[in-house]
Amino acid sequence: SQKIEQNSEALNIQEGKTATLTCNYTNYSPAYLQWYRQDPGRGPVFLLLIRENEKEKRKERLKVTFDTTLKQSLFHITASQPADSATYLCALTGANNLFFGTGTRLTVIP
Amino acid sequence: DTAVSQTPKYLVTQMGNDKSIKCEQNLGHDTMYWYKQDSKKFLKIMFSYNNKELIINETVPNRFSPKSPDKAHLNLHINSLELGDSAVYFCASSRPTGGLTGELFFGEGSRLTVL
Repeated sequence: SQKIEQNSEALNIQEGKTATLTCNYTNYSPAYLQWYRQDPGRGPVFLLLIRENEKEKRKERLKVTFDTTLKQSLFHITASQPADSATYLCALTGANNLFFGTGTRLTVIP
Repeated sequence: DTAVSQTPKYLVTQMGNDKSIKCEQNLGHDTMYWYKQDSKKFLKIMFSYNNKELIINETVPNRFSPKSPDKAHLNLHINSLELGDSAVYFCASSRPTGGLTGELFFGEGSRLTVL
């Protein structure tokens, strides 16, 4: 079955730096890959979707890359702010399903 | 206007009881889901419904029974609750994109505690 790993359970970075989160997957070839943000006590919120034929996607301070050869996606937050502190989840698409990774808890230190 | 709303937000009950969680979406989406998030924050699909029809039923005990009275509602009924059922249950909806799952819209979650 498919396996999705996000590089670290927790990541601390200094405000203003670029946060880079990694999502690696095996036993699967998703057509899309998605990233979500989850705050404590809330439901996940969609951030970005990238298709298999897209190498990179940007939205404001967010950038996602998708390497289907390496089976990896990188999620970058540039000029990070304390308000970016949250858990970030990557998810692989299926038909009528999304398979989620275990998440990375990001803390941006002022 | 809340896009995906689920009730109740908190539910505390005794082992062996039966309980229900309700979910409604006002986005006009065709597909709705139930996810379970355990204490390690791992989100796992339980059920997926498309236009009131069950599409996915992952390895979930048959004590869990989803019911979709119409496209906008997907309720979750749980019989004979066990300690291991304690978790946060999320309802979500999506409009599939080219046959694949697009962006999911999640509810705020229902935290179930079984004593």
